[in-house]
Amino acid sequence: QSALTQPPSASGSPGQSVTISCTGTSSDVGRYNYVSWYQQDPGKAPKLMIYEVSKRPSGVPDRFSGSKSGNTASLTVSGLQAEDEADYYCSSYAGSHTYVFGTGTRVTVL
Amino acid sequence: EEQLVESGGGLVQPGGSLRLSCAASGFTLRNYWMIWVRQAPGKGLEWVANVKEDGSDKYYVDSVKGRFTISRDNAKNSLYLQMNSLRAEDTAVYYCARDFSYYIEVWGKGTTVTVSS
Repeated sequence: QSALTQPPSASGSPGQSVTISCTGTSSDVGRYNYVSWYQQDPGKAPKLMIYEVSKRPSGVPDRFSGSKSGNTASLTVSGLQAEDEADYYCSSYAGSHTYVFGTGTRVTVL
Repeated sequence: EEQLVESGGGLVQPGGSLRLSCAASGFTLRNYWMIWVRQAPGKGLEWVANVKEDGSDKYYVDSVKGRFTISRDNAKNSLYLQMNSLRAEDTAVYYCARDFSYYIEVWGKGTTVTVSS
C-alpha cells in the first residue's frame, strides 16, 4: 500500500500544456485500467477529472486527458487556464478492494 | 442534487475514540460501495476504508486495521467510521465518498479530526 509517485510540482504558461506523471507498480497501475485523477482546490474536496485511465466525466473540459503506459499513468492539461491551478492526485485500484493515491502534484499557471 | 455531509469530527486525546457520520441525500445509499478517504494537514489523500453495498464486506488500509470500523445503515442513508485508539498520525480531514466502479464520483466536504493532548 505505498503511495503512487507524482512530481511535487508542475507549471506552464496560459495556453501551454502540462503533463503530470503517476508511477506505481505492476500490482496497481500496471495491472488495472482503473486509474483516476482528481483536482483539488485549497480547502476544498477533490473533484473527479479522469476515470478508467482516459475517460472524462461529463462537465470536465476536453483539455484534460489521461493515458497509461506500463506502470506509469499521465494526466495532460492542454491550453492551460488560470482556473486549472490546483493540486492533482492520481489513484489506482490495487486489487482486493483496496486503493492507492498518488503523492500529489501542485500545478501552477505562470 | 447528490450530496454527502460528514459530521462528528473534533479534538480528541491520543488513545481516545470518535465516531464519524456521513449523511447521503439525492441518491440511494444502498446501491453503492462507500469509502472513507483522509488527508493529513498539508499532505496527500489516503484511502482509509470501504464497504460493500449491503455492508457484508469491508476493507481497510493497514495503518487502521483493528482500530477503525466502517459501517453503514442503508435505512438511514448513512455511513459511519468508528475510530478507536486514535493516534496523532490520524489527524486529518476525513472525507466520505461514493465509489462507482473503481473511482470516486461524489465527495463530501469533509470533517476535521485532531488527535492531540
